[in-house]
Amino acid sequence: AQTVTQSQPEMSVQEAETVTLSCTYDTSENNYYLFWYKQPPSRQMILVIRQEAYKQQNATENRFSVNFQKAAKSFSLKISDSQLGDTAMYFCAFTAAGGTSYGKLTFGQGTILTVHP
Amino acid sequence: NAGVTQTPKFRILKIGQSMTLQCTQDMNHNYMYWYRQDPGMGLKLIYYSVGAGITDKGEVPNGYNVSRSTTEDFPLRLELAAPSQTSVYFCASSLAGEVNEQFFGPGTRLTVL
Repeated sequence: AQTVTQSQPEMSVQEAETVTLSCTYDTSENNYYLFWYKQPPSRQMILVIRQEAYKQQNATENRFSVNFQKAAKSFSLKISDSQLGDTAMYFCAFTAAGGTSYGKLTFGQGTILTVHP
Repeated sequence: NAGVTQTPKFRILKIGQSMTLQCTQDMNHNYMYWYRQDPGMGLKLIYYSVGAGITDKGEVPNGYNVSRSTTEDFPLRLELAAPSQTSVYFCASSLAGEVNEQFFGPGTRLTVL
């Protein structure tokens, strides 16, 4: 079974600054996907960024980037130039790329991020 | 495309009542999922389906049932509602072979009193 741990229940950042959200995971799978989802107050789950475990290069999507450390089983999200609209709950999630866990997402507990003006 | 739609948006049930949460997707996705999100927590998988007629249990299936008679619809049935089922329920879907992106519905907030 997989586990995903987000050790920061809440974070805050000033507008235009950079913030990093932490995520660690545990798995015996060799190939898998990792995700960061954003859940604003509207409750809608929005995919922010994804990383395939076999790719060594860290994923980047505009102001969002990840630091994927496979050996350490660590997957942090960096948000640059934070904007008020980034205020949301952020979830780290994992899915295996095959086997009986194929396609099933395991989520962390979430980190509430507040961006202050 | 409407994407993934869920009805109702909100519902209050009494203990012991039953209800069905509806989920429909118009993206011709093979895979569909039901998650629950308890207050302040991450989502947990209840049931999933890899195609019409095929369903399987997730992490927290007790107290729920599903069916998948069409590609588009994946209803979740609650029998004998209990306060522990108070939660927000999300339906999601993805294309087979592109499992790395799930599209979520807006959620149903259910309260059992």
